[in-house]
Amino acid sequence: SAVISQKPSRDICQRGTSLTIQCQVDSQVTMMFWYRQQPGQSLTLIATANQGSEATYESGFVIDKFPISRPNLTFSTLTVSNMSPEDSSIYLCSVEGGQLYGYTFGSGTRLTVV
Amino acid sequence: QQQVKQSPQSLIVQKGGISIINCAYENTAFDYFPWYQQFPGKGPALLIAIRPDVSEKKEGRFTISFNKSAKQFSLHIMDSQPGDSATYFCAARSGATNKLIFGTGTLLAVQP
Repeated sequence: SAVISQKPSRDICQRGTSLTIQCQVDSQVTMMFWYRQQPGQSLTLIATANQGSEATYESGFVIDKFPISRPNLTFSTLTVSNMSPEDSSIYLCSVEGGQLYGYTFGSGTRLTVV
Repeated sequence: QQQVKQSPQSLIVQKGGISIINCAYENTAFDYFPWYQQFPGKGPALLIAIRPDVSEKKEGRFTISFNKSAKQFSLHIMDSQPGDSATYFCAARSGATNKLIFGTGTLLAVQP
């Protein structure tokens, strides 16, 4: 199955600033997914990122707040912009590993906004 | 229609017992049903998955039972061990969009 490296693993940020999270996959994948996991909660899909096209955002998430880049088939970034304490969450990237391997997740970025 | 309902929210099982977690869905377009295990500070890890043309799948101590007509599926952990203590999420994939929709999670504690 695909191996995902996600950076940073954690960060503490001041409100009003932005943080860019990187997701690197060890194989080429068509679709990459970004999720948010609020403390003690389930995973909520933020957006789907396809290489060469604009990311598709889920209801409640907008590009101005969570801009996504997908410059090639192995890499994507998610930026959390103009952060507030409500953005404190774990952010995870995921890729589909085909029928045998299902969906693989990175280890996540634990963001705390103070 | 896009929701996946999961129960119970938390579960305490004695070592050696059977842990059972249930999920239900409404969208008949879902075509893939995985279960994920998540330990604190880690990303979710795929545990076992099933497709709707199969009623049961077993891998070691983990079994998925799938009832297509009832739109329900469940995870059974046999001979539960303290190392199984984690949060478990069921999920369902939309065949049209490839998006995974997650259940609300079950916090499992296996007591020694």
